[in-house]
Formats: sequence, structure tokens, C-alpha cells
Amino acid sequence: GDSVTQMEGPVTLSEEAFLTINCTYTATGYPSLFWYVQYPGEGLQLLLKATKADDKGSNKGFEATYRKETTSFHLEKGSVQVSDSAVYFCALTHPGGAGANNLFFGTGTRLTVIP
Amino acid sequence: NAGVTQTPKFRVLKTGQSMTLLCAQDMNHEYMYWYRQDPGMGLRLIHYSVGEGTTAKGEVPDGYNVSRLKKQNFLLGLESAAPSQTSVYFCASRTSVTGELFFGEGSRLTVL
Repeated sequence: GDSVTQMEGPVTLSEEAFLTINCTYTATGYPSLFWYVQYPGEGLQLLLKATKADDKGSNKGFEATYRKETTSFHLEKGSVQVSDSAVYFCALTHPGGAGANNLFFGTGTRLTVIP
Repeated sequence: NAGVTQTPKFRVLKTGQSMTLLCAQDMNHEYMYWYRQDPGMGLRLIHYSVGEGTTAKGEVPDGYNVSRLKKQNFLLGLESAAPSQTSVYFCASRTSVTGELFFGEGSRLTVL
């Protein structure tokens, strides 16, 4: 079945450091891939997405590229800020196809950015 | 825009008590979901619905029931609460086209 594996945390970085959170997936067909972010005390919200191979999703300085050859969707940011401290979830789904009734989530990676 | 609204946001129950969590969405989404979030476990799907009047089991359905009598509402019920059901519960909805999920702010439930 489909699954998502993401880098275990927690991750602690100094402000302005480079961030990478690894995410790999197992899926049949051509899923859509997502990164969600959860700030303290809040629900998850979509950070970025990519719907086909080689697509790059980007938002708020974060980027991730859909790599079908390596089944990966790593999240990167060139210079993190204290306000980026949150839990990040990688996820996949098959819109409109088999398994369309569910999103498969990774376990989440907690990022803490210190001044 | 309200998006997805969950009530209540906090609740403390004693073992054996019952309660219902309400999720309401104003985006006319077909699909709705209930997840629980526990430390180190990520999100686990409890039940979901693909439309009004339909429900289905997810990964961890035991001890929970759901109903979708109206398209905009998805109720999660605990008939006899247990300490193992202490968790944060999230409701979410989406269209079948984009796949993007919209989440509520969560409901923190403690069962003593």
C-alpha cells in the first residue's frame, strides 16, 4: 500500500540556517504530493504541493520538487526564521483515483529555530 | 470565511461517559475526515465520508462512531470514553479534485 516516510525529528536550527527535511514515498501510479505545516496550537495547513513529476511547489520561501525517479519530495528553505518553528508533515494522495478517499501522512518532523 | 469549524475545542470526560464532536465546513466539500493526533504517531484516520449519508472506517475506528446527515456536518461520537482516547482530534475536508485538505483547529479531549 501507499506510504510516506519522513525524516525523524526533532530538528533544531539557528536562525538563517539552511533547512532540509527528507520525505520519500511508496505509491502506485502518479500521486499528488504535499507538505503541510502545523504551528503550535493550530490545525494543519497546506504549505505547498506538486501534482506531477518534476513539478516544484513553493511557498513562503519553502520549496520541494517531485522526484519520481527517487520517489522523494524533500522540503528545503534557504534561511529559516524563528517563525518557521512548527511541525511539518509530508503527505500524498491520489485525487479522483483509487485511494482517493485518503491522504497518507508521514509522522511529522518538529522544527525549532533558535535566535 | 469560516472554513472548517470544530466544537468543542476542549473537553474533559470521565471513563465511560459519552460525547459528540461536531465538524462543520462551509466550502461545499464532498469528502470529510476525522483524524486523531498523538505524540510520535502523526495523524491517524478514524473515519471518513465521501458524501452525505455515507461513512467508512479508517485506520483506527474502534470505539468511535460517525454520522454525515448533512453535507456540511460530520459528527464523531464516543459512546463510552476510555483513557486511550485522550488525544487531539482534527476534522478535515476536501474536494475530490485537488486533493488538498482543509483542517479545523482541533479538539483536545482528555479522558480521566
